[in-house]
Amino acid sequence: DGGITQSPKYLFRKEGQNVTLSCEQNLNHDAMYWYRQDPGQGLRLIYYSQIVNDFQKGDIAEGYSVSREKKESFPLTVTSAQKNPTAFYLCASRSFGGEQFFGPGTRLTVL
Amino acid sequence: SQKIEQNSEALNIQEGKTATLTCNYTNYSPAYLQWYRQDPGRGPVFLLLIRENEKEKRKERLKVTFDTTLKQSLFHITASQPADSATYLCALDFILTGGGNKLTFGTGTQLKVEL
Repeated sequence: DGGITQSPKYLFRKEGQNVTLSCEQNLNHDAMYWYRQDPGQGLRLIYYSQIVNDFQKGDIAEGYSVSREKKESFPLTVTSAQKNPTAFYLCASRSFGGEQFFGPGTRLTVL
Repeated sequence: SQKIEQNSEALNIQEGKTATLTCNYTNYSPAYLQWYRQDPGRGPVFLLLIRENEKEKRKERLKVTFDTTLKQSLFHITASQPADSATYLCALDFILTGGGNKLTFGTGTQLKVEL
């Protein structure tokens, strides 16, 4: 099955901890994206990567970090500097000019 | 300032009727526009993509229009069914200077189709 997987589905974090969200795709897409969604709101772009070993900040990158060491993988770290990290996190990938495919999401809750 | 606005209120319609969702934007010039469906607790699913030089696109019961002069897209679901109940997201699609694309999303419209 081709697609995007995210893990874990639910994640609980204590204040002051860094956590890493996993995103893997087997669609052979060059571009990958991370979004954050808060209740009743649209998706806001955190980071994106058009090619391996390169990535750019999106609209709300503060308190987050990413890496893109492999084409298939684009993990997101939520650092302790992120003031309000509780949200639904979505990973996506696409080929140039094509539709965007989303993963199932990770719901992060800060305790 | 740049804005994307979708119907702010939830849309309730009767089964069998046509649902029309609106996406208006200001101070953007997207290359394409996309529509997605999102169910609670799940990732969005792609529905349709329309290019700036296309006026209309159809797929089964779905139709989307794109007016770059009015800066508006309309999304229609004909013969609506309760299974169409979901949140529908409009996304402006930009081609990046260095290559690749970036989507900017509206806040979505919640559609409920009643029996």
